[in-house]
Amino acid sequence: EDQVTQSPEALRLQEGESSSLNCSYTVSGLRGLFWYRQDPGKGPEFLFTLYSAGEEKEKERLKATLTKKESFLHITAPKPEDSATYLCAVGVTGGSYIPTFGRGTSLIVHP
Amino acid sequence: DVKVTQSSRYLVKRTGEKVFLECVQDMDHENMFWYRQDPGLGLRLIYFSYDVKMKEKGDIPEGYSVSREKKERFSLILESASTNQTSMYLCASSPGTANEKLFFGSGTQLSVL
Repeated sequence: EDQVTQSPEALRLQEGESSSLNCSYTVSGLRGLFWYRQDPGKGPEFLFTLYSAGEEKEKERLKATLTKKESFLHITAPKPEDSATYLCAVGVTGGSYIPTFGRGTSLIVHP
Repeated sequence: DVKVTQSSRYLVKRTGEKVFLECVQDMDHENMFWYRQDPGLGLRLIYFSYDVKMKEKGDIPEGYSVSREKKERFSLILESASTNQTSMYLCASSPGTANEKLFFGSGTQLSVL
């Protein structure tokens, strides 16, 4: 069974304090790994797709990396507006259209 | 930009009522999804549709049904609403290729009293 585990469940940072969120996965065959950002009371918004180990993607203060077992979302010098829940999902080989989601990491950045 | 529109942001219904949640996407996507999201439980798939009039049960289909008569519209139906169906409901769509990213609507917060 495909599984996605995100850690930590919640993270509190001071503004400017860099950190990383983890997404570990166990799948039969990885087709793609997706990161989303979700603000309170809203739907998730797509951030990145990673396809193969060693791949990296960047957007402003966020950088996503991928290994064969996990992905990290690195947040450099975060600001309060980075506060959100970050969701990880994996798509698997075999033609399935349904991604498997982790439960998310709730990030709060204090000014 | 892809737009996924859910008809209501907030909805309050009574136990036993039949409830319709509507979702429309404007990018000709083949795949559409209905999820519910509860604190601590993450996103849970209720139903998935990969084509008009085609549907598959997700992880928690009990108490729900769906309708997809047109490609752009995917409706979630609560046949007889119960208090344990109080939740945030999220609709999403994706293109017809496997495992592409999902585009989500803004969600409907449903309260069943």
